Amino acid sequence: EVQLAESGGGLVQPGGSLRLSCEASGFTFSQWWMYWARQAPGKGLLWVSRIDTEGSSPTYADSVKGRFTISRDNAKNTLYLQMNSLRAEDTAVYYCARRGYSGEFEFWGQGTLVTVSS
Amino acid sequence: DIQMTQSPSSLSASVGDRVTIICRASQNIKSYLSWYQQKPGKAPKLLIYAASSLQSGVPSSFSGSGSGTDYTLTISSLQPEDFATYYCLQSYSPPYTFGQGTNLEIK
Repeated sequence: EVQLAESGGGLVQPGGSLRLSCEASGFTFSQWWMYWARQAPGKGLLWVSRIDTEGSSPTYADSVKGRFTISRDNAKNTLYLQMNSLRAEDTAVYYCARRGYSGEFEFWGQGTLVTVSS
Repeated sequence: DIQMTQSPSSLSASVGDRVTIICRASQNIKSYLSWYQQKPGKAPKLLIYAASSLQSGVPSSFSGSGSGTDYTLTISSLQPEDFATYYCLQSYSPPYTFGQGTNLEIK
């Protein structure tokens, strides 16, 4: 059974940093592209970033480009999202997901809440 | 960037009704379109991928169609557990974009 478990969320002050982790199990992690998406309270879904199997050529939403960095450790079956220069508008539940063959978000984690506030 | 326009934003329907949700892309996305169901406090769940392929385990009452810029999600006979928010996603070209969502409520 595919399982994705996010961790690392919490309360951080504006301008601060946080690193999210997503631990994968139930599949060969190194063979799948991965995604991050987020959802602000009461709002819709926003795609944040994607990474290929080797960790090269990451892609980002314009709203996080230059501040967020996606990475992966295939030996640890873990996906990461390093978030710097955090803003109030980054407050959201952050989800990791496994990419399917047609680019869909095939499997999702349960999400981790990031709150940016002073 | 590709814009996704989803309609309606909200919909009231009864158990047993047939409902259709539409997503329109600002350019041809070549069927790189998927549909998701989300219930309050839960992660989204994949229903349809590649515009019309039913994800394993999803009831056959759900179906997707479309091509080019126009796509639809149809629920043929609403069940109580189908009342939720639905989103489309284009994954043809990054930045990938979700539709605004459709809140399906019980009439």
